[in-house]
Amino acid sequence: AQKITQTQPGMFVQEKEAVTLDCTYDTSDPSYGLFWYKQPSSGEMIFLIYQGSYDQQNATEGRYSLNFQKARKSANLVISASQLGDSAMYFCAMRETLLTGGGNKLTFGTGTQLKVEL
Amino acid sequence: GAGVSQSPRYKVAKRGQDVALRCDPISGHVSLFWYQQALGQGPEFLTYFQNEAQLDKSGLPSDRFFAERPEGSVSTLKIQRTQQEDSAVYLCASSDPGTSGSPYNEQFFGPGTRLTVL
Repeated sequence: AQKITQTQPGMFVQEKEAVTLDCTYDTSDPSYGLFWYKQPSSGEMIFLIYQGSYDQQNATEGRYSLNFQKARKSANLVISASQLGDSAMYFCAMRETLLTGGGNKLTFGTGTQLKVEL
Repeated sequence: GAGVSQSPRYKVAKRGQDVALRCDPISGHVSLFWYQQALGQGPEFLTYFQNEAQLDKSGLPSDRFFAERPEGSVSTLKIQRTQQEDSAVYLCASSDPGTSGSPYNEQFFGPGTRLTVL
């Protein structure tokens, strides 16, 4: 089974609108973290937001928020007030703590290509 | 401060050639990771260093892949006898909760080296 599943290969959104990028995950580790990264065409991965498995509240960072539904094992990224500069590839990733002995490596999904239109 | 840098940014190799890819992590970062990103896919973990110790090399696809970090800072990923299936972007990332000031211990990525094997 895939550890991280991103079912939307591509998404379009109008400028200034909100968009939700889906991510589901699979793990038996009780202690894990979920990350979202943005990868523009330049190639560098940019960290956006983090959600820990024990966090009681959904994470927020500026225009980014994470809709964390632990029972459903989903961690969807919500981008509010989309901007042209948000056009990029977005990756959901998971860090499992106990199963990897605290090694901190990330497992990534296949990504969602977001295109913001005027 | 400076981010993670990688060199070269682009490398073209003939099948069978050896290549060496360099990563300069953020100064003081203890952890260093290598990932391989095939076209249209998410990054996949290759190997992990804590200082000079290679603690996890479970993602290296074959014994043609070798990584080192002899002094606990700069790392080199070497691929011997390159094959066409080695064509990918190789991403390096570093992290350190003690120096980054972030509670999330996120990984900071370099721009990657795009390897094309002809």
